[in-house]
Amino acid sequence: GAGVSQSPSNKVTEKGKDVELRCDPISGHTALYWYRQSLGQGLEFLIYFQGNSAPDKSGLPSDRFSAERTGGSVSTLTIQRTQQEDSAVYLCASSLGGNRGNQPQHFGDGTRLSIL
Amino acid sequence: DAKTTQPPSMDCAEGRAANLPCNHSTISGNEYVYWYRQIHSQGPQYIIHGLKNNETNEMASLIITEDRKSSTLILPHATLRDTAVYYCIVRVAGTGGFKTIFGAGTRLFVKA
Repeated sequence: GAGVSQSPSNKVTEKGKDVELRCDPISGHTALYWYRQSLGQGLEFLIYFQGNSAPDKSGLPSDRFSAERTGGSVSTLTIQRTQQEDSAVYLCASSLGGNRGNQPQHFGDGTRLSIL
Repeated sequence: DAKTTQPPSMDCAEGRAANLPCNHSTISGNEYVYWYRQIHSQGPQYIIHGLKNNETNEMASLIITEDRKSSTLILPHATLRDTAVYYCIVRVAGTGGFKTIFGAGTRLFVKA
């Protein structure tokens, strides 16, 4: 079956521009997560959605970062006025049910964002 | 902060079992241990998870000590394609549910 799909796979943009990253979770997965991975580093949690609401947005690094989810499915992560330190791979994951301890997350292959 | 400690790298001969250790001495009673792996330029791939009993699936086995303070992921017959970074994760109870905190992982090199 289809896994988590992210688009675009690569994005290059100039400093100061806004970017929008998209995530299509696995069908039926109500929980959705965004992470960021800088070069050679581990994953950094950004935000978690349960349905269309975000009970945990504690990882968003600044108010330039926002995310929304509509219809309990597709999510978009928006970065406004991009900075060079925003360059990273942005990963999306989804899981069944709520954010419970025994539900594995399934990841997409990410969007590689490069800020010039 | 990640609640797990893993060696930064390990080697394994092709065809042999790869045993990847993980320490999670501050784990709480309701927190699961998860293992993921990440091959270059791909997203992390779920391998296995467990609470207190040993678990086995088609990819690997997970051995959790009785006190739950450490675990070992076993790849029974490692192949070159198993070369990856392996993450041991404890899902931490937090706002709105369980938060997944990734550490640096173990870079496994499988050699012919």
